[in-house]
Amino acid sequence: AAGVIQSPRHLIKEKRETATLKCYPIPRHDTVYWYQQGPGQDPQFLISFYEKMQSDKGSIPDRFSAQQFSDYHSELNMSSLELGDSALYFCASSLGWVGAGANEQFFGPGTRLTVL
Amino acid sequence: AQKVTQAQTEISVVEKEDVTLDCVYETRDTTYYLFWYKQPPSGELVFLIRRNSFDEQNEISGRYSWNFQKSTSSFNFTITASQVVDSAVYFCALRENFNKFYFGSGTKLNVKP
Repeated sequence: AAGVIQSPRHLIKEKRETATLKCYPIPRHDTVYWYQQGPGQDPQFLISFYEKMQSDKGSIPDRFSAQQFSDYHSELNMSSLELGDSALYFCASSLGWVGAGANEQFFGPGTRLTVL
Repeated sequence: AQKVTQAQTEISVVEKEDVTLDCVYETRDTTYYLFWYKQPPSGELVFLIRRNSFDEQNEISGRYSWNFQKSTSSFNFTITASQVVDSAVYFCALRENFNKFYFGSGTKLNVKP
């Protein structure tokens, strides 16, 4: 079965650079979530989208922005990168934002971002 | 306040021992969902189980079992006859009626041969 795809899997950037992470949800899934997991930390919710509209917002820095496109894939744009942005970034997808379908939240393999 | 508490930061056991990972959650919603994920050193989050707030039946899957008790807001996870391959960080997570996941801080399990 198709899973959530994230690209790239690994990314190395320097301070003050920009990074774009991509997430391709499971086919037919219309909701995407982004999480950030720092070293030794638990995943922290950043932002989510349902039907291409932002549905919820967590601890996402102002330097970050995200959107969901017409094909339901999502991109997380990170500017003015800082050392503290080094983390594993997970994308998850679900069918629907509320109700039973939303609980089948499938996580991608993550993108490991290293900021030097 | 932390919505999901995993008080055990790290546990070490010897292979074939049983081990229980504790999870305590906090929510005011009547409908919510609890999850356990395994995160091996490779980093991916591996889904283990999902439980909704209306289903307090305990579940067993092979060497894994889960004990959900609403009265104590706990959702504990037991591995029977642990194996070295069980070594990983285990996260308990809560999802309220319609919202993102709240993860606990994780419990690192070391299973020694």
